[in-house]
Amino acid sequence: NAGVTQTPKFRVLKTGQSMTLLCAQDMNHEYMYWYRQDPGMGLRLIHYSVGEGTTAKGEVPDGYNVSRLKKQNFLLGLESAAPSQTSVYFCASSYISGTGGQGADTQYFGPGTRLTVL
Amino acid sequence: QKEVEQDPGPLSVPEGAIVSLNCTYSNSAFQYFMWYRQYSRKGPELLMYTYSSGNKEDGRFTAQVDKSSKYISLFIRDSQPSDSATYLCAMSANTNAGKSTFGDGTTLTVKP
Repeated sequence: NAGVTQTPKFRVLKTGQSMTLLCAQDMNHEYMYWYRQDPGMGLRLIHYSVGEGTTAKGEVPDGYNVSRLKKQNFLLGLESAAPSQTSVYFCASSYISGTGGQGADTQYFGPGTRLTVL
Repeated sequence: QKEVEQDPGPLSVPEGAIVSLNCTYSNSAFQYFMWYRQYSRKGPELLMYTYSSGNKEDGRFTAQVDKSSKYISLFIRDSQPSDSATYLCAMSANTNAGKSTFGDGTTLTVKP
């Protein structure tokens, strides 16, 4: 199993450009997440999905959009990049290690995408 | 105030030391407590998780939860240079399945 993969690994954008980050998982997990990680600020949840065709806003959703057309893929879009979006982006997927939707939310992370917006 | 507060560190210890990493939280609904390890320029990886109060041991790692004090700890025995990483605590509630709340992480360096 490849686990969680992210494409691309690195990207440099100019202000105003758009791009899409792709996350793929082969573990048949229902839940998927996009985080950004900045120095001294920990992981901040951007958007998440609890199943194919569903998405929800996290803590810092402004300037980002997402889609989950297939269970194994979760896309993060930046429509008009800004320097404040310079960050490391992590995708994660999880299953609930219990029954009836209850249990520990054990997340599996991808290797990250380093994005710089000039 | 954040729901989860983690000792920021950084923490530097000699090889072989016992390390204690700690988090406090305010949401009494949290029932599952996770610890993740993140090496430099890598994604976090799950170390272990515990349910409710008590201890859980896995090799040199012991996770401890005190729900009455809203305090959790990760102990590393006989620390090794390969343990040098950032450690993140995370918590979730049954009613919020699928979304954890993370601490900001503590960076640990184990010196040979």
